[in-house]
Parts: sequence; C-alpha cells; structure tokens
Amino acid sequence: QVQLQESGPRLVKPSGTLSLTCDVSGDSISSKNWWNWVRQSPGKGLEWIGEIFHEGNIIYNPSLKTRVTISLDKSKNQFSLTLTSVTAADTAMYFCARDHDHGDSNWAFDFWGQGTMVTVSS
Amino acid sequence: EIVLTQSPGTLSLSPGERATLSCRASQSVSSSHLVWYQQKPGQAPRLLIYGASKRATGIPDRFSGSGSGTDFTLTISRLEPEDFAVFYCQHYGNSLWTFGPGTKVEIK
Repeated sequence: QVQLQESGPRLVKPSGTLSLTCDVSGDSISSKNWWNWVRQSPGKGLEWIGEIFHEGNIIYNPSLKTRVTISLDKSKNQFSLTLTSVTAADTAMYFCARDHDHGDSNWAFDFWGQGTMVTVSS
Repeated sequence: EIVLTQSPGTLSLSPGERATLSCRASQSVSSSHLVWYQQKPGQAPRLLIYGASKRATGIPDRFSGSGSGTDFTLTISRLEPEDFAVFYCQHYGNSLWTFGPGTKVEIK
C-alpha cells in the first residue's frame, strides 16, 4: 500500500520560507509517477501547487511559480516543497499526493498524505 | 487557463436520493484528464473517478461519471450516509492542474 506523509514546521513567520517534506513508502520516488503538492486554505477549496517527475521534470502553478521550488531526494525516497516570502495568505493545509497514470494517459491523484497545517504568523 | 465551474454550490438531499453534480469547463477539455474527488472534513481528498467515467479502485458502483467537451457530471445513484461530503472536479491541461470550487452534498 502506498503511503505519503508530510512533515515540517507548523508555524512560519511572515516573509519567511515554508519548507515541507513528503515521505513516500510503498512506491519508489523513481517510478513513473508524478509527485505533487496541493494546498487548502481554511474553509476553502483545493489549490494545486506543482509536481515533479523523477527525471527532473517539474511543473509549477503559474500563480506561485516565482516563490515555489519542488525537489526530490531519491536516497530518502521523499520529495520536498519550499515556498518563499510567505504571507498570511499562505496559511493552509498542505497535502502531498501521487499522480498516477491509470492507463491511456488517464492521470489522477490516487494516494494522498493526511496533510499538515501550516500557519503563517509572527 | 481553463476554469472549472461546479454547480450547485450546495446540494441538500436525503439518504437514498440521487445526487447529480455538474462540472463545466470554460473550454473543451480532454475527458482523459477529468477527475473527481470526494473530501470529508479533516481528511485528504479521495479519488473517485478518473478519465471522466472510470471508477477508481474500491469505489462503489453507485458513483458514476459522465460527460465530454465542456460538461461533466458526477452521479451518486442512491446516497449513503457516508457519502455526504464535498466533491471536487479536476482537470489537467496546458501543463496545469486545475480544481473546481467544489460542491457540498449535505444531509437535508
């Protein structure tokens, strides 16, 4: 069974940097899947942040592109999110998720972490 | 950028009733990249439907997806108590994943 688990600081100061890690078990980070970050502000909908493929391909949401970096650590079978210059608007539940091809290029996020709540506050 | 609109915003129904949720895209999209998720309070989203109409592993057959072009529908044939939640559609296009704003299905 594939499992994903987010970890990282729960509180970040305004103008600081948010850093989260997603540990993957039950699958290799080098498999033919894309690895994603999604966030959800309190009481709001889902916002896709970006995704990474093991060969180094990365796609970011244009709305966050100037502040986001997603990277892989194959030795630890994990991937990470860095978001710079954070404000209160970045306060959200952050989820990591696996984007898997179910055949015929039918991609979808089939496994998700439980999420970690990050608050931006001084 | 493709914008997804979901309607209604909230659907108030009783267990046993049929739920019909709509997802409309601002321009024609590929059905292979249209996905539906269910999210309950305090939980991560759960994959229900991919490729517009294909049920994910373990999803009961009371959930079905249909549609093409700009109009897609998620139908729950008979609502069970555990089905009440928020449902999101999602699409991939132009190197961007987009979520709809969600439809809340609540108990009437």
